Amino acid sequence: DAGITQSPRHKVTETGTPVTLRCHQTENHRYMYWYRQDPGHGLRLIHYSYGVKDTDKGEVSDGYSVSRSKTEDFLLTLESATSSQTSVYFCAISESESPDTQYFGPGTRLTVL
Amino acid sequence: GQNIDQPTEMTATEGAIVQINCTYQTSGFNGLFWYQQHAGEAPTFLSYNVLDGLEEKGRFSSFLSRSKGYSYLLLKELQMKDSASYLCAVTDSNYQLIWGAGTKLIIKP
Repeated sequence: DAGITQSPRHKVTETGTPVTLRCHQTENHRYMYWYRQDPGHGLRLIHYSYGVKDTDKGEVSDGYSVSRSKTEDFLLTLESATSSQTSVYFCAISESESPDTQYFGPGTRLTVL
Repeated sequence: GQNIDQPTEMTATEGAIVQINCTYQTSGFNGLFWYQQHAGEAPTFLSYNVLDGLEEKGRFSSFLSRSKGYSYLLLKELQMKDSASYLCAVTDSNYQLIWGAGTKLIIKP
C-alpha cells in the first residue's frame, strides 16, 4: 500500500470556522490531489498539485484553498466552512501525470454544523 | 457535458459471476480505470484499460470498447469480501479523471 495518511480522520466543526485538512505521503510522488465524495456523486476534484508550490483548481474549488510547501505534504483549507462542505475528503497521489494510477489516503469525514 | 453512467446497485450470489457496466460520454478518451471501495474505506485500484479488449487479472476482468463508449468489470467466483462499491473513471482529452458515482455490489450467501 502507498504510504498516505490524512489528518484528522474525523472532524466536526461549526459554520463559518476555518478548517485545514492534511495529507502526508512517504512515496515521493510528484502529483497530489484533493477530492470530495458525496452520496450519489462520483469523486469530485477540488484542487491538485504537480509539484512544490505548483497547484491548480479542479471541478469544485470554490470555498477551498490548498498549499504545498514540501513534496510530502498537501494541505486543504476551507476558509469559512459551510454545511454544503460536509463530506468525506480523500487525498490521492500519483507518480506521474494523468492517466497514471492514483493511490488514495484513508479519508477525512468532515461535518459542518 | 461529460457523463459516466453505472448502475447504482447490484445484487449477486456468492460463487456466481457478475458484470458491472460503465458507459461514458467524455471529451476525448485517454484510458479507463476501475476502482474498488469498501464501505468507509479508500478506493483501491483494480484495472486500467486504454485499448479495446479484455484484460484479465485473477478473478477480475475488465473490458473496453472505445467505439461504443463502454466498459464492464467482470467478477468471477464471487466471495463475500467482494461486497463493495465499484467505481469507473475515465481520463478525458485534458487528462482530467472523470468519475462515475459507483455501483454498490451486494453479495448474498
